[in-house]
Amino acid sequence: DTGVSQNPRHKITKRGQNVTFRCDPISEHNRLYWYRQTLGQGPEFLTYFQNEAQLEKSRLLSDRFSAERPKGSFSTLEIQRTEQGDSAMYLCASTPGLAGEEYEQYFGPGTRLTVT
Amino acid sequence: DAKTTQPTSMDCAEGRAANLPCNHSTISGNEYVYWYRQIHSQGPQYIIHGLKNNETNEMASLIITEDRKSSTLILPHATLRDTAVYYCIVRPHYTGANSKLTFGKGITLSVRP
Repeated sequence: DTGVSQNPRHKITKRGQNVTFRCDPISEHNRLYWYRQTLGQGPEFLTYFQNEAQLEKSRLLSDRFSAERPKGSFSTLEIQRTEQGDSAMYLCASTPGLAGEEYEQYFGPGTRLTVT
Repeated sequence: DAKTTQPTSMDCAEGRAANLPCNHSTISGNEYVYWYRQIHSQGPQYIIHGLKNNETNEMASLIITEDRKSSTLILPHATLRDTAVYYCIVRPHYTGANSKLTFGKGITLSVRP
């Protein structure tokens, strides 16, 4: 198991363009989280999935953002009509998601988005 | 989630113990204290968690005061690779649903040679 992977690691785009990021969680992890981190701040929760179901979205997730996890494995996060304020590190994390004990989230290395 | 407060930064000498404080005066009875760290350009990494007893693992020790209003993460022999931002987080251990993490700004630990 190679851990959580994210692609691409870096993305530079022009304002108004659409971008899509991918997250591959640890195999058989049922829960998958997306966070956003801006410079000098801690990560902020965006949304999470239990298998293929998206169960909660933060108010930070505007209508321009959409996330999917079609088969309960990898997930994609798409940002439409990017704005400069979308520039951030986008982090993905996964957990087994079993009922009861849950204390460690496993994070990927993140995708750094720069909107010019 | 209960709020935590941490100093902005601290430093320590390589090989010495690093003691990172955290205040969580509004912590609830069912909330645990978690510590994560984030090395530059990487995702956060889980370190340790505890409820009220002191905890130790291969990475660190966690000391929680008896009233649970504060805690200290101890790295017994800091190395240069321990230079990172350390986040103290409180949340229920079993949420039954969304177990999202609520990060603050954390404390930046700089280990000097």
